[in-house]
Amino acid sequence: LAKTTQPISMDSYEGQEVNITCSHNNIATNDYITWYQQFPSQGPRFIIQGYKTKVTNEVASLFIPADRKSSTLSLPRVSLSDTAVYYCLVEESSYKLIFGSGTRLLVRP
Amino acid sequence: DTGVSQDPRHKITKRGQNVTFRCDPISEHNRLYWYRQTLGQGPEFLTYFQNEAQLEKSRLLSDRFSAERPKGSFSTLEIQRTEQGDSAMYLCASVPGLSTGELFFGEGSRLTVL
Repeated sequence: LAKTTQPISMDSYEGQEVNITCSHNNIATNDYITWYQQFPSQGPRFIIQGYKTKVTNEVASLFIPADRKSSTLSLPRVSLSDTAVYYCLVEESSYKLIFGSGTRLLVRP
Repeated sequence: DTGVSQDPRHKITKRGQNVTFRCDPISEHNRLYWYRQTLGQGPEFLTYFQNEAQLEKSRLLSDRFSAERPKGSFSTLEIQRTEQGDSAMYLCASVPGLSTGELFFGEGSRLTVL
């Protein structure tokens, strides 16, 4: 099972870079790694997805080492509105997409 | 707004009553998921449809839960004889056919069982 492990919570300040690491030791060869953001009383929202090395979009970067047993979501220059729960997902099978408990990020002024 | 709509947004019911939630996915998405989320926890997988076929169902789901997607478009999730432990946010997500892992979630339906 491609179970994921993330820190329960992280604190940061506005303008800082935040890196959240997820461990997925049993990731399968064909699995992608996906990160979601969730605000209270809303559904999770897709942030970024990758398979290996580095992926960057307008909101984040995703770093995946060669062994793919972990991944790091990087949020540049966070703002108060980035306070949310961040989930790392690895596909367990062709159908099952299992969320872990997520990382609660608190951005302080 | 992701384009996935869920109804009702909030439902308060008494223990023992039946409730039904509806999800309208993005029209061209043929894959549809239901999740349940309780306070402080990540979304918990309930079931998955590809078109009208229910291909996966969580073993955590009791027989009181049933889901359908009759024409491969909208889906319903019914909970019979509700219990207080069913109180949660029920989330629906849809996925484009060839996509891997990118779920488009609705706003959820919050159930409170008194």
